[in-house]
Amino acid sequence: QLQLQESGPGLVEPSETLSLTCIVSGGSISSSGDYWGWIRQPPGKGLEWIGNIHDSGSTYYNPSLKSRVTISIDTSKNQCSLKLSSVTAADTAIYYCARRRGGTSGLDSWGQGTLVTVSS
Amino acid sequence: QSALTQPASVSGSPGQSITISCTGTSSDVGGYNYVSWYQQHPGKAPKLMIYDVSNRPSGISNRFSGSKSGNTASLTISGLQAEDEADYYCNSYIGSSTWVFGGGTKLTVL
Repeated sequence: QLQLQESGPGLVEPSETLSLTCIVSGGSISSSGDYWGWIRQPPGKGLEWIGNIHDSGSTYYNPSLKSRVTISIDTSKNQCSLKLSSVTAADTAIYYCARRRGGTSGLDSWGQGTLVTVSS
Repeated sequence: QSALTQPASVSGSPGQSITISCTGTSSDVGGYNYVSWYQQHPGKAPKLMIYDVSNRPSGISNRFSGSKSGNTASLTISGLQAEDEADYYCNSYIGSSTWVFGGGTKLTVL
């Protein structure tokens, strides 16, 4: 069974870069056609799609975050990563990684999420 | 990229049916058959309940069903049970390999 696990610092200072990793186990991150995405949820609020990466390496981002986001994939480590630059308190959220099979709309596997707080 | 519109809250009694709407535009919900629904219990990750408008993943109860008419998608839960109390989110493709979530709906089982 596919499992995803997010990891990274729980506290980031304003104006710095948030960096998170999603480790995939129970399957290959380079499975043909899959998309690996990041979604966030500010405390007490709704879900926001950040972006995703195809196993070919193509990336797609939320236009409102595009200038600050980079998603990458490391097939040798079976993981994908999220970098969000110039963070502010508004970026405080639980960050989830998730998989979407190509050709479908469902995010069928999710990590447990990791809370990142932006504060000095 | 505006969030899809969902009612903030809905409620129902055990055994009843409820429907949660997700309203977008012809550029998102109405333009593609790529709408999915997620259930989220407090402190937990979202769980896929419906994908591609009306398909249920393996293991999801047939009490959950999805549909779409025009620019509005709907999630219907029949035979409400206490464990269905949760937040529900819709998600739609909006073109150029990008996606948007609805604002979320809190379901209360009375």
